[in-house]
Amino acid sequence: GAVVSQHPSRVICKSGTSVKIECRSLDFQATTMFWYRQFPKQSLMLMATSNEGSKATYEQGVEKDKFLINHASLTLSTLTVTSAHPEDSSFYICSAIHGMNEKLFFGSGTQLSVL
Amino acid sequence: KQEVTQIPAALSVPEGENLVLNCSFTDSAIYNLQWFRQDPGKGLTSLLLIQSSQREQTSGRLNASLDKSSGRSTLYIAASQPGDSATYLCAVWDAGANSKLTFGKGITLSVRP
Repeated sequence: GAVVSQHPSRVICKSGTSVKIECRSLDFQATTMFWYRQFPKQSLMLMATSNEGSKATYEQGVEKDKFLINHASLTLSTLTVTSAHPEDSSFYICSAIHGMNEKLFFGSGTQLSVL
Repeated sequence: KQEVTQIPAALSVPEGENLVLNCSFTDSAIYNLQWFRQDPGKGLTSLLLIQSSQREQTSGRLNASLDKSSGRSTLYIAASQPGDSATYLCAVWDAGANSKLTFGKGITLSVRP
């Protein structure tokens, strides 16, 4: 089956630093990838849709200057949390569309803790 | 605006029991519905995807049904095992130009040995 690799799985950083999360489709090309965040005991919330070669589409309430998304190739999308603060601590998950039936495959997630 | 509801939020059953997890959605104009499994601190694993034109999908001990007109889907797990303990989320992909994937909050299942 299709595999989406997300790295790193866990990151702890100081407040004010920037953190980059990578999402790779390993055995297929993904023109569209999605970034979600999940707070404990809450549902996944879509942050943005990442399209290869064009600007990402952000959901309402998500700051595009804070959460920079780059989808420079058909197999890689990155999410950079700029000047991270403790309230940005969350679980971030990416997903990619695979196949004609648009099945979603998810990365393993990144637990971000900002001190 | 699409809303996806999963009730109850948590469920505990003894091993071997057959069980049904429910999912309801408010807007029946969907493209497909997917069931996922999430282990603590992990990403999602796709279990079953049902296209809007389909009624059910089966994979091993799992069977998912879709009744679009009533806005309901069920995930049936046969002969539950402790390894099935996880959070199960359903998500619907809205039809239309600005389609989005909307998730329920999930059902946390605990299967007792």
